[in-house]
Amino acid sequence: GAVVSQHPSRVICKSGTSVKIECRSLDFQATTMFWYRQFPKQSLMLMATSNEGSKATYEQGVEKDKFLINHASLTLSTLTVTSAHPEDSSFYICSAGQRQGAYEQYFGPGTRLTVT
Amino acid sequence: DQQVKQNSPSLSVQEGRISILNCDYTNSMFDYFLWYKKYPAEGPTFLISISSIKDKNEDGRFTVFLNKSAKHLSLHIVPSQPGDSAVYFCAATNYGGSQGNLIFGKGTKLSVKP
Repeated sequence: GAVVSQHPSRVICKSGTSVKIECRSLDFQATTMFWYRQFPKQSLMLMATSNEGSKATYEQGVEKDKFLINHASLTLSTLTVTSAHPEDSSFYICSAGQRQGAYEQYFGPGTRLTVT
Repeated sequence: DQQVKQNSPSLSVQEGRISILNCDYTNSMFDYFLWYKKYPAEGPTFLISISSIKDKNEDGRFTVFLNKSAKHLSLHIVPSQPGDSAVYFCAATNYGGSQGNLIFGKGTKLSVKP
């Protein structure tokens, strides 16, 4: 149990376009989902916390107008990178907890974004 | 300021021996600690966790030790297997804090040689 999927797994887009990444909890309901970004040889950096039915909470330094997060249902959260630039190229990973405030988070497989 | 530190970027161990991965933290408000294993281009996989009320938690080949006074935890893998080769992330959280978001260390790459 506790499977989280992400789509797409890999995407290449041109500078200036927008890209949407989906995160789904397949066999449980996730009231809270998290979006992380990982730079090469770096830690996973939390970008935002997404709660179903409410606005996402963004970490300091993360542009909310650039990284749009929508948590439309208990099993789906989306991250849209708007007007992508090459510096947005990264590995984006979502995670979900099985209950609010859950310690253990289950991670999706990640999405590799390359902006040319 | 890094709140969770994994000072060894890599570790190499012979198959069958013990692997010890270390993690230090600075925030005394952290009350729950987790270890994740990650393969390249994949999301992290939860391994084992420990609450601050305990000093040891064991699950099969994996044991996590917590020393609160030293703000230090370690993951022991015995015996190590080649399939254990991956990057291991230490993470911490404060239940009374925000919403359960994890603070990660930079990871330690473990290589287990046959």
